[in-house]
Amino acid sequence: RKEVEQDPGPFNVPEGATVAFNCTYSNSASQSFFWYRQDCRKEPKLLMSVYSSGNEDGRFTAQLNRASQYISLLIRDSKLSDSATYLCVVNHPTGGSYIPTFGRGTSLIVHP
Amino acid sequence: DAGVTQSPTHLIKTRGQQVTLRCSPKSGHDTVSWYQQALGQGPQFIFQYYEEEERQRGNFPDRFSGHQFPNYSSELNVNALLLGDSALYLCASSLGPGSRAGGYTFGSGTRLTVV
Repeated sequence: RKEVEQDPGPFNVPEGATVAFNCTYSNSASQSFFWYRQDCRKEPKLLMSVYSSGNEDGRFTAQLNRASQYISLLIRDSKLSDSATYLCVVNHPTGGSYIPTFGRGTSLIVHP
Repeated sequence: DAGVTQSPTHLIKTRGQQVTLRCSPKSGHDTVSWYQQALGQGPQFIFQYYEEEERQRGNFPDRFSGHQFPNYSSELNVNALLLGDSALYLCASSLGPGSRAGGYTFGSGTRLTVV
């Protein structure tokens, strides 16, 4: 089983739609969770951290369910500029430290 | 620009050759992590350098080696290149080896093609 799993998509949605991405992680000792955004042929950039209580940043809402080892990202009122790959990142315990471990990413295409 | 700088941006090598990729961390950062991102996949952790030593290593063969210099810059070396080594190689810098992913700054990467 992979350490961090995501549905690769692509998710193809019209402008204005609401779309949700899910991510599961295998190690219950994992700490710190994030969503990164990666545009085509560019480097990943931090979108938002994910907190146990859930958190919101404008049109983006992230949630964490530690019991189910599940993370989600909700995007409301999708814009064309939201088209990108969204990477789930989990700080995975490794050799006494924690290493950011990436999922394979979920591709989002927002069309007019 | 005080961000992470990687060189070269693109590289084409032949199977069996050796390659060196370079990374200069963001100003104020002292830790460098290297990731390999194959097409359609997420970045895979290769190793992390702090205080000029390899602190953590992912599941990569010994053909992958690295170095960190006193100015915190880093090199990634790959020997005996295979076709499967073709990927985007990303360098991420952070402050301290225990930094969370939120504290990572990525460079724009080196795209390596092995033919």
